Amino acid sequence: QEKVQQSPESLIVPEGAMVSLNCSFSDSASQSIWWYQQHPGKGPKALISIFSNGNKKEGRLTVYLNRASLHVSLHIKDSQPSDSAVYLCAPNTGYQNFYFGKGTSLTVIP
Amino acid sequence: ETAVFQTPNYHVTQVGNEVSFNCKQTLGHDTMYWYKQDSKKLLKIMFSYNNKQLIVNETVPRRFSPQSSDKAHLNLRIKSVEPEDSAVYLCASSSAGHTEVFFGKGTRLTVV
Repeated sequence: QEKVQQSPESLIVPEGAMVSLNCSFSDSASQSIWWYQQHPGKGPKALISIFSNGNKKEGRLTVYLNRASLHVSLHIKDSQPSDSAVYLCAPNTGYQNFYFGKGTSLTVIP
Repeated sequence: ETAVFQTPNYHVTQVGNEVSFNCKQTLGHDTMYWYKQDSKKLLKIMFSYNNKQLIVNETVPRRFSPQSSDKAHLNLRIKSVEPEDSAVYLCASSSAGHTEVFFGKGTRLTVV
């Protein structure tokens, strides 16, 4: 069983839409959950992280963590064409050990 | 802005050859990693190296070996490449604790 499952696999939205990305993880010992953004031909870049149960907001990004259900979601408000990328969920189980999901490919159409 | 530098960007080689990829980080981090990203974008950790301690993902074939001269450099050598080694290899670094991992742009390996 995969340690990290992301949904949907791909998403196409018009510019300005709210985007919601989901991630389920299996290791309850995950101490922090990170979201990374990867543009074509580039390495992943960290967007936002969350440690505590609840939500965290940074600019157009909001992340929600529910440790009881082992679920985290990322919401992008007012999406822009530059947000088009692959989004990777990465729970950190400690000792710099990250497991990445397969990612959600987001396309924002102008 | 890149602080993890990988060379080469691309490499095409034949089955059975040996290849080496270089990685340097200028962030002063203590830990470096090599990840393999397949054609479906799945990222899998291969090695992490911290203070001369190497942690190896048990699924990594023995033909892969990391080489480090200091904490800013972590190279990857592949002896006798196989077709399934075709992928993008990403080098990364982080500081201690549950901090952000910084990635390089990757080296795309094609084995023909």
